[in-house]
Amino acid sequence: DAKTTQPPSMDCAEGRAANLPCNHSTISGNEYVYWYRQIHSQGPQYIIHGLKNNETNEMASLIITEDRKSSTLILPHATLRDTAVYYCIVRVYGGSQGNLIFGKGTKLSVKP
Amino acid sequence: ETGVTQTPRHLVMGMTNKKSLKCEQHLGHNAMYWYKQSAKKPLELMFVYSLEERVENNSVPSRFSPECPNSSHLFLHLHTLQPEDSALYLCASSQDRADTDTQYFGPGTRLTVL
Repeated sequence: DAKTTQPPSMDCAEGRAANLPCNHSTISGNEYVYWYRQIHSQGPQYIIHGLKNNETNEMASLIITEDRKSSTLILPHATLRDTAVYYCIVRVYGGSQGNLIFGKGTKLSVKP
Repeated sequence: ETGVTQTPRHLVMGMTNKKSLKCEQHLGHNAMYWYKQSAKKPLELMFVYSLEERVENNSVPSRFSPECPNSSHLFLHLHTLQPEDSALYLCASSQDRADTDTQYFGPGTRLTVL
């Protein structure tokens, strides 16, 4: 089972920031938070990941709360091409190493 | 482009057919994965290969047979499939099988079993 909770859907106006929340209250101290997205009928695309510090790259920013029980993915200027399902994933440590366990994600719809 | 390619992109086959899905990664990675994504279900990990050795098999039926001839290529051989096997089959690769290695996905093969 996925170890994260995300809203099933969100809307965002084109050009505005999209803030996608994720709860991971049972995260362990050495587990990372990963974000992927999947545009319809394509393979998942890596966006960003972090452990406890906020991270930023050319695609997005990741804000992780101090207690690490939740995080927010920020797309600073959403475009229509950002319409996709966004997955927040906590990497399983030990046992099934390297596996990504995908939940249902958040379907983000960017509207003109 | 993620550096992971899959062929064919679409495949329709009968239950008695034998077909193969191909994945190739151009990233110099050592680990490769097969995932299955059925309609309205989360991605399911099927197989993991690390340095051309199968290191994980998540209770996948024997009608799915993976093959990893080298670190750049991964195949999924299909035979006597069932209609419920219709799904998007995704290949991914990562540098190694470390817990934090980023996985890069191919575009997937949309399989329909009649």
